Amino acid sequence: QITLKESGPTLVKPTQTLTLTCTFSGFSLSASAEGVGWIRQPPGKALEWLALIYWDDDKRYSPSLKSRLTITKDTSKNQVVLIMTNMYPVDTATYYCAHRTYTSGPFDYWGQGTLVTVSS
Amino acid sequence: DIVMTQSPDSLAVSLGERATINCKSSQSVLYSSSNENYLAWYQQKPGQPPKLLIYWASTRESGVPDRFSGSGSGTDFTLTISSLQAEDVAVYYCQQYYGTPYTFGQGTKLEIK
Repeated sequence: QITLKESGPTLVKPTQTLTLTCTFSGFSLSASAEGVGWIRQPPGKALEWLALIYWDDDKRYSPSLKSRLTITKDTSKNQVVLIMTNMYPVDTATYYCAHRTYTSGPFDYWGQGTLVTVSS
Repeated sequence: DIVMTQSPDSLAVSLGERATINCKSSQSVLYSSSNENYLAWYQQKPGQPPKLLIYWASTRESGVPDRFSGSGSGTDFTLTISSLQAEDVAVYYCQQYYGTPYTFGQGTKLEIK
């Protein structure tokens, strides 16, 4: 059974850097075709894909946020980390991590999400 | 970027009636070599993460009731709920995974009439 859980600060100040961790179980990011992505959702708004990392360390980023994002994995800890620099109030959102298999397509398993508020 | 546009933005349907949600992509998400449409549908209830319902445009995820069906190809897709149940009240999103950036529709809010 695949599970994912996000962790990180609930409140960050403007201009600060956000670091979020996704801890997962039920699959290994050292196994071929496995991937973990990050998606966010501002309150009352739609979903926005941010970044994705695959088993072979292939990384993909949203072009509009690429300069602010870094995604890494720690296979031994079953964790994926997302770093977003220069946070603004518009970045206030629930941040989800989700599982994707390279060959099967969509995000099939999601974490519960973590709400991050950007405010001074 | 592939823009995903859903219609309507909101929908009210009586219990037991059919609900239809449309999704249009700004370019085709049909991968010619596999003849698969890289299109998924998700259901999101308040306070919950999205739940995968349909992928490859028409394949139901395991455990999803058969009243949910997906259809369409290329740029035009439809999610149909054949007989609306109270537990189907939610926001529904389409998503293309044809290429990055993976993009979602703006969502359709489904309510009971």
